[in-house]
Amino acid sequence: NAGVTQTPKFQVLKTGQSMTLQCAQDMNHNSMYWYRQDPGMGLRLIYYSASEGTTDKGEVPNGYNVSRLNKREFSLRLESAAPSQTSVYFCASSVPLAFNEQFFGPGTRLTVL
Amino acid sequence: AQSVTQPDIHITVSEGASLELRCNYSYGATPYLFWYVQSPGQGLQLLLKYFSGDTLVQGIKGFEAEFKRSQSSFNLRKPSVHWSDAAEYFCAVGASQEKLTFGTGTRLTIIP
Repeated sequence: NAGVTQTPKFQVLKTGQSMTLQCAQDMNHNSMYWYRQDPGMGLRLIYYSASEGTTDKGEVPNGYNVSRLNKREFSLRLESAAPSQTSVYFCASSVPLAFNEQFFGPGTRLTVL
Repeated sequence: AQSVTQPDIHITVSEGASLELRCNYSYGATPYLFWYVQSPGQGLQLLLKYFSGDTLVQGIKGFEAEFKRSQSSFNLRKPSVHWSDAAEYFCAVGASQEKLTFGTGTRLTIIP
């Protein structure tokens, strides 16, 4: 039981390049989330998906797109990376009942030059 | 809109000493409150949560937190810290099913 896995662990991009961050969970959770973590700002929600086939914007969605491919997988895409998107990205999942615990992946550290 | 304030950016505590990390929230109704811990290079792990009922909640690793509505606070405590408690701690408040708002975190350093 791997929990929440994220790939890649590290990535360096040049401004304007695109990439997709992958996230998968094996806990049969319905809800999945993408956060970014920046120094002094805590975690901010980018997008979330309450169930397969649905996605909604969070606090900081600009510059990102997401795909809930199936119940297990939730990907985050940067179409044209900008230096402001340099951050650590976390994926999380939960069972959407009365604020059950969110389980986090290990993160992807992204640098945009 | 809900918000969370963690006033202490960095706290240093001696091993074996007691610990209290502060968290203040702003929300118009009864909040759902959480404390998460993040070890270096890792994701976040839930320490404890408050939904309703007893205002003193027990969590993992010997941590506890007390909800005080009159002070809009949810402070995290531990009677005796261990070197392995060195990490970053995040308080979070939830107003809806899907969306948690996190504080900016408190980094805890333990000195021998």
